[in-house]
Amino acid sequence: DVKVTQSSRYLVKRTGEKVFLECVQDMDHENMFWYRQDPGLGLRLIYFSYDVKMKEKGDIPEGYSVSREKKERFSLILESASTNQTSMYLCASNRGTSGRWELFFGEGSRLTVL
Amino acid sequence: AQSVSQHNHHVILSEAASLELGCNYSYGGTVNLFWYVQYPGQHLQLLLKYFSGDPLVKGIKGFEAEFIKSKFSFNLRKPSVQWSDTAEYFCAVNSHNTDKLIFGTGTRLQVFP
Repeated sequence: DVKVTQSSRYLVKRTGEKVFLECVQDMDHENMFWYRQDPGLGLRLIYFSYDVKMKEKGDIPEGYSVSREKKERFSLILESASTNQTSMYLCASNRGTSGRWELFFGEGSRLTVL
Repeated sequence: AQSVSQHNHHVILSEAASLELGCNYSYGGTVNLFWYVQYPGQHLQLLLKYFSGDPLVKGIKGFEAEFIKSKFSFNLRKPSVQWSDTAEYFCAVNSHNTDKLIFGTGTRLQVFP
């Protein structure tokens, strides 16, 4: 069965802390994505990666960075967390480069920044 | 830039009522279109998708959607909703042959028995 696993379901951090959100997929997918989900704003793309060590900015990359050292793992980094980064973070993955493949999502990581 | 609009933010229906959720996108080229659903406490999952061909596509659980190119629309429909359809529904689009998927703001559907 397809699986995207996000390491933490709930995190509480303080302003200025460095935060790591980890995501692992077991489907050998080329593409991996980080979205944030906020009420009334839907899902907004932060970064995506189409290959190891490759990344592209999404629509809201400011304040975030990513790392993809291995094909199965995609990390989202908040260098200095701020209260406006309190949100639900969703990782997703899919195959190929045609834009037609289904996205598989993780359960989400709910981050609260105090 | 691409954008996706879902004008119905919150829809409340009784069981057996018919459903139509609007989705409009802004992009002039060829697009791939998707509807995803998020049931309470669950992760997002694909409901249906359209790439080409018959503009009326059928998905899981009795849902269907119609692509109307001239209106830049991809509305989701179901003839008779059930309580178990209570969920949040997201329309998404990417341009042909790219992987950057843009989502709408979502529509929260509540179905009462």
